[in-house]
Amino acid sequence: GENVEQHPSTLSVQEGDSAVIKCTYSDSASNYFPWYKQELGKRPQLIIDIRSNVGEKKDQRIAVTLNKTAKHFSLHITETQPEDSAVYFCAGGDYGQNFVFGPGTRLSVLP
Amino acid sequence: GAVVSQHPSWVICKSGTSVKIECRSLDFQATTMFWYRQFPKQSLMLMATSNEGSKATYEQGVEKDKFLINHASLTLSTLTVTSAHPEDSSFYICSASSPTSNEQFFGPGTRLTVL
Repeated sequence: GENVEQHPSTLSVQEGDSAVIKCTYSDSASNYFPWYKQELGKRPQLIIDIRSNVGEKKDQRIAVTLNKTAKHFSLHITETQPEDSAVYFCAGGDYGQNFVFGPGTRLSVLP
Repeated sequence: GAVVSQHPSWVICKSGTSVKIECRSLDFQATTMFWYRQFPKQSLMLMATSNEGSKATYEQGVEKDKFLINHASLTLSTLTVTSAHPEDSSFYICSASSPTSNEQFFGPGTRLTVL
């Protein structure tokens, strides 16, 4: 089955700087890679996703890149703000089916 | 986006009792719902995939007789933790797959504390 790894486990950046979180997956058949943001005690919220037929996707300050050959994908947050502080989970799997989550990255944006 | 609710949001029970958690899709019909468990400071671990009108598919290591899942309608799935023990204390989150976008929408989660 799919195995998703995520690095780093914790990340601290100064407000305004960029943050990058990297994930790798093991199953070459996976075709869907969402990113979720989870604040303490709350539900995960989808922030961006990418399908395997696309190499990059951007939505305002958030971008995701996918390298199918190397089986890794990354989340990029630019101009970070304190409200970006949360735990971020990457995931990989089949579009419309269940997917496997990475272990998470705790992002702290320092004012 | 689509709305998924869970009930209750927090439950405390005695060891040995059973607890039922409901997951509802409020504004769409979900043919597939997923149940996850999340321990403190850990990731979401898929427990089972629930399809309306059929038996749930459990992930390896998840006891189907302990975690009973019923998906009786297109808007409701229930998870019953039977004979709960303190090690079952966790955050249980469901999600529902939208048939129009295939995106998974998560419920707010249920915090279970077993004394």
